[in-house]
Parts: sequence; structure tokens; C-alpha cells
Amino acid sequence: RKEVEQDPGPFNVPEGATVAFNCTYSNSASQSFFWYRQDCRKEPKLLMSVYSSGNEDGRFTAQLNRASQYISLLIRDSKLSDSATYLCVLSGGYNKLIFGAGTRLAVHP
Amino acid sequence: EAGVTQFPSHSVIEKGQTVTLRCDPISGHDNLYWYRRVMGKEIKFLLHFVKESKQDESGMPNNRFLAERTGGTYSTLKVQPAELEDSGVYFCASSQGGYYGYTFGSGTRLTVV
Repeated sequence: RKEVEQDPGPFNVPEGATVAFNCTYSNSASQSFFWYRQDCRKEPKLLMSVYSSGNEDGRFTAQLNRASQYISLLIRDSKLSDSATYLCVLSGGYNKLIFGAGTRLAVHP
Repeated sequence: EAGVTQFPSHSVIEKGQTVTLRCDPISGHDNLYWYRRVMGKEIKFLLHFVKESKQDESGMPNNRFLAERTGGTYSTLKVQPAELEDSGVYFCASSQGGYYGYTFGSGTRLTVV
């Protein structure tokens, strides 16, 4: 079983749509959680951290459910520029990051 | 502030040859990490340096891979001899500490033919 499971997609949505991605993880000891964004043939970049209380950054909302070992990312009012692969990432001990394989999002006009 | 720099950006080598990848972290970052993404798979941790010392090399696939960090500055990752399954994108990252503030380099795309 993979440590981080994500639906690979692709999610094809029109501009302005709301889209949600989910991720489940197997290591209950993980303490820190993140969503990273990776554009085609580029490096991963931190989108936002994820907290149990839920957190919002503009059009992006992230949520963590420790009991269910489940993380979500909601994107509202999708833009063409949101097209990318979204990586669910967690801490693996000793500053190591554990990545999911990513969910691909394609926003079309 | 200069970011994390990786060289080369692309490398195509034949099976059995040697390749050396280089990473220059952000100045002042003691922590340096190597990760790899093989086609169709997730990005996976290879190893972690704190200054010049290897903190964690649990992700190194086998003894064909050798990483060094001279004087706690830049790092090299040598693959010798390269095999077909070593093809992928090798990312380097650096941070001042912890899980926050990771900055990734743009990666080296290695193709072994």
C-alpha cells in the first residue's frame, strides 16, 4: 500500500468551477501536511500547509482529518493558471517529505 | 536571493556510463535533500545532508549511487554505473530546517539508454 494515495485524475473543469481533491495517508505518526503544486516539467512548489482546523488562502481551502487520515484541497473559481498537478505531501520524520503521485487538474475556457 | 541551482538540466547517457549531478543550495541553508521522480511514480526521498554530514540516506536505491557534500556547500550525486531504471528527474532541495521553507531546484532530467 502506498503511503499517500491520490486520485491521479485528470480533473477537467471549466473556468470558474469549484474542484476538490482528496488524499489519504497511511502513517498516523505524520505531523505536518502540505499541498504542493507542480507545473509540467517544473519543480514542486509549496501551495499551502494543512492544519486540523482548516485553513484558507484566497481561493484555496485545505482541510485535515486526522481521525480518518484524510486531507483535502478545495479550489474555488478555477482559473486557467490553476492547471497543474497537485501533490499531497506529508512529513516522514527527520525533515523528509513523503509525496503522493499527484492529481492532475486541467482548467479549460 | 538565488534559488537552488541544479546542473545539468538534462543528461542522456548510455547504460554502464557514469553521470554526476550537481546541486547548489540556497546560501546559508544547512539542510540539503535529494529526491527522484521515476516516470509515472511519485517523487521519492533519496537522502538528506545537514552541512557536510549525511543525516538520512535511507532512500538511496543501491550502492551505485554516491552522494557527497563538500564543505557543507554544494552537493553531487554520482550514479556509477547507470542502469535503465535510473532514468527520471532528480530534484535537489534545501531548507534552513524543518519541513517548512523547502525550496526545490528545477531538477535534472536523466535518461539512460
